[in-house]
Formats: sequence, C-alpha cells, structure tokens
Amino acid sequence: EAGVVQSPRYKIIEKKQPVAFWCNPISGHNTLYWYLQNLGQGPELLIRYENEEAVDDSQLPKDRFSAERLKGVDSTLKIQPAELGDSAVYLCASSFMRGRNPAGETQYFGPGTRLLVL
Amino acid sequence: GQNIDQPTEMTATEGAIVQINCTYQTSGFNGLFWYQQHAGEAPTFLSYNVLDGLEEKGRFSSFLSRSKGYSYLLLKELQMKDSASYLCAVRGPGGSYIPTFGRGTSLIVHP
Repeated sequence: EAGVVQSPRYKIIEKKQPVAFWCNPISGHNTLYWYLQNLGQGPELLIRYENEEAVDDSQLPKDRFSAERLKGVDSTLKIQPAELGDSAVYLCASSFMRGRNPAGETQYFGPGTRLLVL
Repeated sequence: GQNIDQPTEMTATEGAIVQINCTYQTSGFNGLFWYQQHAGEAPTFLSYNVLDGLEEKGRFSSFLSRSKGYSYLLLKELQMKDSASYLCAVRGPGGSYIPTFGRGTSLIVHP
C-alpha cells in the first residue's frame, strides 16, 4: 500500500513569493490533515478535511494561507505571500474515520515539504 | 486546550532499556498516541492508549494512567536505529478529534 505522498520535498523561495504544496493521501482515507512543524517542536494542526469539507481550520492564518481538497482526494496548501517565519516543515497526514467516533483512529504522515523562505 | 510535557532529550546505551515520560493536562481525554520521528522523516505511529494500563508491542510498550495524566513509552533492547524523536500526542474532549502533540523527546542511542 502506498503511503501519503507529498511534493515537493524541499522548496526555497524569497519572501513575498507564493508557494504551493501538494498532498495525495492513502487511498480510501476520508480525512486529511495539514500540519506545520518547526524544528524541535511537535506538529501543529493547520487544517483538517473530512472528504472535501474543511471542518477545522481555526489555526490556519487565512490572510495568507489557503487550502483546498478537490473531490475529497488530493489537497493543496498555498501561502501567498510567504514570510520569513513560514520556514518550517509542512506535513500532510491522512486517516480513515468511521462515523463520528474517532477512537483509535491513526494518522499516517507523509514525508513533509521543507520550506525555506529567504 | 491541552498542555503536554515531555523531556527534551535523553541518551541511552545500545541494548539497554529507556523510559520516556509524558505528562498532560486536558479538560477532557480521548486517548494518547506515541509517534516515532527520525530526522527529516515523517512521524510514524507506535501506540495508542485510551484505558489505564500497559500495552505491549514487541520491544516497545506504552503505559497510561488517566488519573495522573501520565504516560510513558518503554523501549527495550535498544538499537542504534531507535535514535529518533518520540512524540506524545493527546486527543482532547469529545468532538475535538485532533491530537495535540508535545514537543517530542530526542533519544540518542550510543554504542
């Protein structure tokens, strides 16, 4: 079974430029997450999708960040314009949630996109 | 919200046993996860505890005490490849399905 796929793996851009990350979740997984991870820190949730609906985006800085999940499968996360403080690893994860009880639901993470803003 | 605390770094010797502690404070509790993350790689699932007690999986075991807000991950027969960051994550009150991650404990295994 293929895991969560993310691209690109690395991205270097200048500040004020736009950048986009792509994620392909595990086949059949209905829930998709975007996390931000700074060095020496745990992942912090940016947005969660159930199928194509964004159900938790309270931590997403909406003035510059946007995300979409077309047809409830692949997802893209965009930053426009990027700032120096956006340098981090952006992780995508997916899971299969049965009904409204997530007991034991396990998230599977992709390798992440390492962003450096100069 | 949740407050999760785990040591920043630990060192241990190959072949030994190490225990990584995690304490948490949360207004509700719906399970605790442990993930392993090698440098530059994705976190990978190790264990899930929702009831008190010890869950054993090969060389790794995870313990939970809900009344104490405490968990530990026990790694036996340490191998060099166990050098990684170990993330404790707590799932909060009902309706909040998102685990909150701790900062991670960097484990260094030396010969």
